[in-house]
Amino acid sequence: DAGITQSPRHKVTETGTPVTLRCHQTENHRYMYWYRQDPGHGLRLIHYSYGVKDTDKGEVSDGYSVSRSKTEDFLLTLESATSSQTSVYFCAISESTVTNSPLHFGNGTRLTVT
Amino acid sequence: QQQVKQSPQSLIVQKGGISIINCAYENTAFDYFPWYQQFPGKGPALLIAIRPDVSEKKEGRFTISFNKSAKQFSLHIMDSQPGDSATYFCAASPAYNTDKLIFGTGTRLQVFP
Repeated sequence: DAGITQSPRHKVTETGTPVTLRCHQTENHRYMYWYRQDPGHGLRLIHYSYGVKDTDKGEVSDGYSVSRSKTEDFLLTLESATSSQTSVYFCAISESTVTNSPLHFGNGTRLTVT
Repeated sequence: QQQVKQSPQSLIVQKGGISIINCAYENTAFDYFPWYQQFPGKGPALLIAIRPDVSEKKEGRFTISFNKSAKQFSLHIMDSQPGDSATYFCAASPAYNTDKLIFGTGTRLQVFP
């Protein structure tokens, strides 16, 4: 496995509470991504980063924010969690955005919002 | 135009059989088509990928077939094994913008002995 650690692996939280998910990489890759995986929707990009302090929105960014203060860490924050944000969240990394640099995924965080 | 449509949603195959998963896209700017394999409790991992300069790419028992005119591509798993039981995702993006990768909805493959 590529050196990607997601924490926590599981979390249950209540509607309206803030939640932060962490992705830590040891590969020194420039690009980092947050995806959510839901049945019937596959993997959808939330936000991505192309360098320290450089981030951009993905397909489903509403209700989420991200920060990247160090190359190795990419944080995903749900400011006020809603039940529709119950999902499995995957972090991914890549060295570049050309085809010989595939995405490497972490093992996911299962988030349940009650 | 950004969608990648994947079928079937689930697939049951007997050991030794051929598993076929199909994907279709609309965006003619897409020219990179990877397949990812995901086991339960794990993240997806790249299995095989194709560019449209070839119509077929084979790696071991896994083959991608690509039909540019129909804007379709498919994954064939020959001699399917129980260890191939996993969820498979197709994806597509422009070749130099894989940060814009769009995934299909996934196919859950079960291979029975």
